Amino acid sequence: EVQLVESGGGLVQPGRSLKLSCLASGFTFSNYGMNWIRQAPGKGLEWVASISSSSSYIYYADTVKGRFTISRDNAKNTLYLQMTSLRSEDTALYYCARQQLGRYFDFWGPGTMVTVSS
Amino acid sequence: DTVLTQSPALAVSPGERVSISCRASEGVNSYMHWYQQKPGQQPKLLIYKASNLASGVPARFSGSGSGTDFTLTIDPVEADDTATYFCQQSWNDPTFGAGTKLELK
Repeated sequence: EVQLVESGGGLVQPGRSLKLSCLASGFTFSNYGMNWIRQAPGKGLEWVASISSSSSYIYYADTVKGRFTISRDNAKNTLYLQMTSLRSEDTALYYCARQQLGRYFDFWGPGTMVTVSS
Repeated sequence: DTVLTQSPALAVSPGERVSISCRASEGVNSYMHWYQQKPGQQPKLLIYKASNLASGVPARFSGSGSGTDFTLTIDPVEADDTATYFCQQSWNDPTFGAGTKLELK
């Protein structure tokens, strides 16, 4: 059974940093591109970043480019999102999602909440 | 960014047919996908590449369209289908529609 479990969320002050993790199981992690997608409270979905299976290709939404870094450790079956210079508008539930060819997302984790507030 | 426009809400009776639309601001070929999200849960893939049913999804769900206009159809609607439905394009960097909240009468 495919499982994705995010962790690392919490309350953080504006301008500070936070690192999210997503532990994958039930599939060969190193064969799949992975993504971070976020959802502000009561709002829609916003794609944040994607990374290819071997980390060769990395893409970011303009809203986080230069502040967030996506990475992965295939030996640990883990996806990461390093977030710096956090802003109130980064407050959201952050999901990790497995990507299929065609860049759609066939499995999602339950998410980890990030709240940016002083 | 490619903007996806969905109607905000629909209300239907169980057993009826419902069509949820998604219009893209530019052509996305067939790279349109649909997700269902119930309150407090993560999104679930329903349809990929416009018309392909995801694994385990009931055949009551179907998708159609290409270019800029796409439709998710549920026929017949069941009580468990109460949820918000999002479209997503992947012709360019992924973007999502704002979601259509489906309520049952």
